Amino acid sequence: GAGVSQSPRYKVTKRGQDVTLRCDPISSHATLYWYQQALGQGPEFLTYFNYEAQPDKSGLPSDRFSAERPEGSISTLTIQRTEQRDSAMYRCASSPGTQQDNEQFFGPGTRLTVL
Amino acid sequence: GQNIDQPTEMTATEGAIVQINCTYQTSGFNGLFWYQQHAGEAPTFLSYNVLDGLEEKGRFSSFLSRSKGYSYLLLKELQMKDSASYLCAVSREGFQKLVFGTGTRLLVSP
Repeated sequence: GAGVSQSPRYKVTKRGQDVTLRCDPISSHATLYWYQQALGQGPEFLTYFNYEAQPDKSGLPSDRFSAERPEGSISTLTIQRTEQRDSAMYRCASSPGTQQDNEQFFGPGTRLTVL
Repeated sequence: GQNIDQPTEMTATEGAIVQINCTYQTSGFNGLFWYQQHAGEAPTFLSYNVLDGLEEKGRFSSFLSRSKGYSYLLLKELQMKDSASYLCAVSREGFQKLVFGTGTRLLVSP
């Protein structure tokens, strides 16, 4: 695609519910990243994928958070049993994934509000 | 662990020059990125420094000193549209994971 897209753009849910966020990266990009961004802060790394492999998920805050990229393209981030502290902007980014060309292109984000 | 410091907020006048500093302490340093983020929008890439020295790209330049753990972003001929947050980010342990600072909010006034 022309750029990174994310859906939904806004999600309001009640505490305890599960939510799934979707990211559609730039089609030629091997690497996909998930970040959490609080208001007034920089993005915080959650996890990333090289195609369908997930080499690093060290940034996931708890085992309630999981991510998938089963076919090496679209990715989903699932938060189970949401808590109010999960409220944040969730951003996806993609990059070609090479040392020489590692600029990350960010999507518009999904703003999650947990009531 | 890693620590990235940059000023919280800066103000400057249209047409002026501003320098935004970033210091970092991290193991396995690989390179340093600068991103621009307008309010309510996604971060967009500005620059990437791996080697010491100055990289110039139009009105924006970025400098890196690996030995000092220091970088700066220099913005010349400031325009109102440059009002945004500027994020310093460090890549470590290879080139794929980025650690961002909290960002510097720049306000350009007429």
